[in-house]
Amino acid sequence: DAGITQSPRYKITETGRQVTLMCHQTWSHSYMFWYRQDLGHGLRLIYYSAAADITDKGEVPDGYVVSRSKTENFPLTLESATRSQTSVYFCASSEFRDRGTEAFFGQGTRLTVV
Amino acid sequence: GEDVEQSLFLSVREGDSSVINCTYTDSSSTYLYWYKQEPGAGLQLLTYIFSNMDMKQDQRLTVLLNKKDKHLSLRIADTQTGDSAIYFCAEMGGNTPLVFGKGTRLSVIA
Repeated sequence: DAGITQSPRYKITETGRQVTLMCHQTWSHSYMFWYRQDLGHGLRLIYYSAAADITDKGEVPDGYVVSRSKTENFPLTLESATRSQTSVYFCASSEFRDRGTEAFFGQGTRLTVV
Repeated sequence: GEDVEQSLFLSVREGDSSVINCTYTDSSSTYLYWYKQEPGAGLQLLTYIFSNMDMKQDQRLTVLLNKKDKHLSLRIADTQTGDSAIYFCAEMGGNTPLVFGKGTRLSVIA
């Protein structure tokens, strides 16, 4: 099925562990994004990528690492998870068109760091 | 820097109109968007408006843009219980990624 999928949907991890959130899109969109959603903060951009092997920092990149070896995948890694990284993470993809960017969002990954 | 502000909560009665307001700071924003998030789901694009437009209507949705005041609003006519959700205003300027507001939680009372 065409679309954007995130895995896992739910994850509980311990402080200090490394965890990777996966994101896969089937449209071959050039752009992919990672946002975190927290109460009182809305959605904040963590990292984004304009194409394979091109990534850039967003508003809150500290503690996160991304890679984009293939256009369709954009994994987000927390190298050493902290409680402040407990959040809902959304991946999105988009293609710039004549009406700007219409970002398509995954269902989200709810991450709890204990 | 870019900043998008929205009120956090709105409560309306079923059948009434809802108006959700948003202000933004980036004068170079070329497109402004409204996204809807239902419980447990991702964000879904509702509508968008190009910065050289004042108004856009799409069925029950009306978007008004006051570029001078950097004010954007979303009006939902005949609000239904299925419209209960969080609504996000977002802006994009040039080739920058979307910047979102904190979201307005709309509650519709039957």
